[in-house]
Amino acid sequence: EAQVTQNPRYLITVTGKKLTVTCSQNMNHEYMSWYRQDPGLGLRQIYYSMNVEVTDKGDVPEGYKVSRKEKRNFPLILESPSPNQTSLYFCASSLGGTQYFGPGTRLTVL
Amino acid sequence: KNEVEQSPQNLTAQEGEFITINCSYSVGISALHWLQQHPGGGIVSLFMLSSGKKKHGRLIATINIQEKHSSLHITASHPRDSAVYICAVRRDVAQKLVFGQGTRLTINP
Repeated sequence: EAQVTQNPRYLITVTGKKLTVTCSQNMNHEYMSWYRQDPGLGLRQIYYSMNVEVTDKGDVPEGYKVSRKEKRNFPLILESPSPNQTSLYFCASSLGGTQYFGPGTRLTVL
Repeated sequence: KNEVEQSPQNLTAQEGEFITINCSYSVGISALHWLQQHPGGGIVSLFMLSSGKKKHGRLIATINIQEKHSSLHITASHPRDSAVYICAVRRDVAQKLVFGQGTRLTINP
């Protein structure tokens, strides 16, 4: 089944404790992206990747890192999480423009 | 001012009504997306448009590039259409996506 998976789906952590949210797709898509969704602000793009080893900043990249060492995986790294990174995070992949979204990761930073 | 504006923000209608959700944008784009976010949170891509009109079942999406405007129509609406509908544009100078705030649609039986 073609899909985008994210792990974990839910995470509660504390300020400053490094964490990684994984994203994997099995559709051989070149384009992958991370978004965060906040009440009143909607979806905003954090980082995107056009292909392996090619990444670029979206509109809200501060406090996040990404890597794209292989086509199927695009992890989101929070080196030192802060409470303002509490949000719902979505990973997506795309081929030809249509976006396929993962199920979301709800992150709470205390 | 947001680069992508949707209207209305909330819409409640009766089953069977014809629904229109509007999206206006202020930047140059290479494509426009319509997404559906279910009450459970999952997001599904409905359409990607760069010109004209697309139809899928009871859903129709149109775009007017000159007027920088797109509409999503739902014919014969049904309670299962209740969701948040999100417009997003892909800027023409990069591959970034910019999203509207979403329209919360509720269809009552």
